[in-house]
Amino acid sequence: GQQVMQIPQYQHVQEGEDFTTYCNSSTTLSNIQWYKQRPGGHPVFLIQLVKSGEVKKQKRLTFQFGEAKKNSSLHITATQTTDVGTYFCAGRNTGNQFYFGTGTSLTVIP
Amino acid sequence: NAGVMQNPRHLVRRRGQEARLRCSPMKGHSHVYWYRQLPEEGLKFMVYLQKENIIDESGMPKERFSAEFPKEGPSILRIQQVVRGDSAAYFCASSPGHLYSNQPQHFGDGTRLSIL
Repeated sequence: GQQVMQIPQYQHVQEGEDFTTYCNSSTTLSNIQWYKQRPGGHPVFLIQLVKSGEVKKQKRLTFQFGEAKKNSSLHITATQTTDVGTYFCAGRNTGNQFYFGTGTSLTVIP
Repeated sequence: NAGVMQNPRHLVRRRGQEARLRCSPMKGHSHVYWYRQLPEEGLKFMVYLQKENIIDESGMPKERFSAEFPKEGPSILRIQQVVRGDSAAYFCASSPGHLYSNQPQHFGDGTRLSIL
């Protein structure tokens, strides 16, 4: 069945280090969305990618959608303590089913 | 504008009781989605509703779970005869347009359901 996996599941970084989470789908996706969930909070929409090979930036965050539209990545440059949380990718497959990834939990050590 | 409102924030039920979770979408949003999240796990899609219609319920368990989004009032996720395994955070999200048109979802704060 459809799976959207993210790696790593957990990541601890020193403040100032970079961080990357990878999202991989077993099938082609029509779009990919990224959400951030702070501990005890709710998911908050960050960005959406639709085109093959698309790259978008939001300040220190860079989002990429793979050429085959089956994978995506989120890269954070020079992490800050405010980046702490779980990052989820979510995508819609060609059958219009919507799946969230398994999430990457980021801890930033001051 | 008020965001997505869910209530109650916390709900405790004994095994066999019924749980009703409510969700009022953001103003102007007519599409509602329910998700379940177990501790330290991802969000699992349950159901997608538009006013008075269930669009996709492929993630809903076949028994004991039901959802509605009436013409007037909030969307309701109803769990009958709850069991311990139903303990989870249930999130509601809404969007202004159809999910299939690449609309982002806006989430509520969730209802933490605990079954004794």
